[in-house]
Amino acid sequence: NFMLTQPHSVSESPGKTVIISCTRSSGSIASNYVQWYQQRPGSAPTTVIYEDNQRPSGVPDRFSGSIDSSSNSASLTISGLKTEDEADYYCQSYDSSIHWVFGGGTKLTVL
Amino acid sequence: QVQLVESGGGVVQPGGSLRLSCAASGFMFSSYGMHWVRQAPGKGLEWVAFIRYDGSNKYYADSVKGRFTISRDNSKNTLYLQMNSLRAEDTAVYYCAKFASDGFDIWGQGTMVTVSS
Repeated sequence: NFMLTQPHSVSESPGKTVIISCTRSSGSIASNYVQWYQQRPGSAPTTVIYEDNQRPSGVPDRFSGSIDSSSNSASLTISGLKTEDEADYYCQSYDSSIHWVFGGGTKLTVL
Repeated sequence: QVQLVESGGGVVQPGGSLRLSCAASGFMFSSYGMHWVRQAPGKGLEWVAFIRYDGSNKYYADSVKGRFTISRDNSKNTLYLQMNSLRAEDTAVYYCAKFASDGFDIWGQGTMVTVSS
């Protein structure tokens, strides 16, 4: 079994770049794909990154994903921040024993 | 367009039952596995259950195993979640989501379930 740990909150100014981390507690981060979901207040989640670094159609290229085996973590990078990016972001991965696992979520404030 | 629409939420007493539905459109429903994911008020996302495209395999989170049953009717493009022996801690918005790779790609808008006396 493993957990995905995210910072509770991050904040940055419009136009800047923010990186949200997601650290896997045990097992390799590379053993299963990592996805990232955006959830604006009062709305359902939407997928912004799938399979570690792929963007669904319609998601701007300001959003990018990566994994780092040395730190056993995944990262979501949002560049050129806009006020509309203010939301909760969740990482998620899979394990054959505990199945689909979410990180605790990170609240992004764009101020 | 691809769409998932949940229904069936409401207020139920502890120990009661409820059945949620998720109507799918815009894609070949019978070719994809489907999930239920929930979110308690003010909390994060929690995966609840998964069913393969043909209903042959089902998986559950430990927190709902033995109380919830996921099923589907491919002729009606509809996913279900039968929830029995409901507890206060089952209070949440329940989302259906389409399977993709190791995660989810399309989400419904959610339906609220409140377990309270």
